[in-house]
Amino acid sequence: QQQVKQSPQSLIVQKGGISIINCAYENTAFDYFPWYQQFPGKGPALLIAIRPDVSEKKEGRFTISFNKSAKQFSLHIMDSQPGDSATYFCAAKTGANNLFFGTGTRLTVIP
Amino acid sequence: GAVVSQHPSWVICKSGTSVKIECRSLDFQATTMFWYRQFPKQSLMLMATSNEGSKATYEQGVEKDKFLINHASLTLSTLTVTSAHPEDSSFYICSARFEGGYNEQFFGPGTRLTVL
Repeated sequence: QQQVKQSPQSLIVQKGGISIINCAYENTAFDYFPWYQQFPGKGPALLIAIRPDVSEKKEGRFTISFNKSAKQFSLHIMDSQPGDSATYFCAAKTGANNLFFGTGTRLTVIP
Repeated sequence: GAVVSQHPSWVICKSGTSVKIECRSLDFQATTMFWYRQFPKQSLMLMATSNEGSKATYEQGVEKDKFLINHASLTLSTLTVTSAHPEDSSFYICSARFEGGYNEQFFGPGTRLTVL
């Protein structure tokens, strides 16, 4: 059973556009929701994370929107750049427990 | 801060041989480290949780006799793939959990294993 569902599987965005990736979860005990960025042949790198007591967190061009009642959270990349082309994974966990990853979204930003 | 290294970054070995991959937390101590496997265009699959000074906890379906994990110190965990076969070829990634705060996991750069 997939603990965290992620969509879309792939996304193509024009340079300067907004990239939006969505995730949904079922376990209401999750209390930490990070997003990871992974380039080919590299390990995932923490991009931004949110806890369920806030509805939005912004860091530079990256924003997480969190909807606790709908059990959904999304990553918005503003002014998308070709250098943002990578695979993005959402994840969730409870306390010090294991991370549950989404299936990943391959983002391509075309010039 | 919070840097995790892996060595080697890639390795090619012959079928039947064993390969050891090291995972080090460079600037923090990690009681717990994790080992993941990733197939092309797929998500990370947790293989095992490595705890310093105790036996690793393996996920269902992961052969513990094939994937030996040793967490000998607070900064080093090793994964040994024993009697490797071509189907073991994959991208192996470790992470180390930072104790405190949100108990973040910081990931290593990964090791590409190719078994001929």
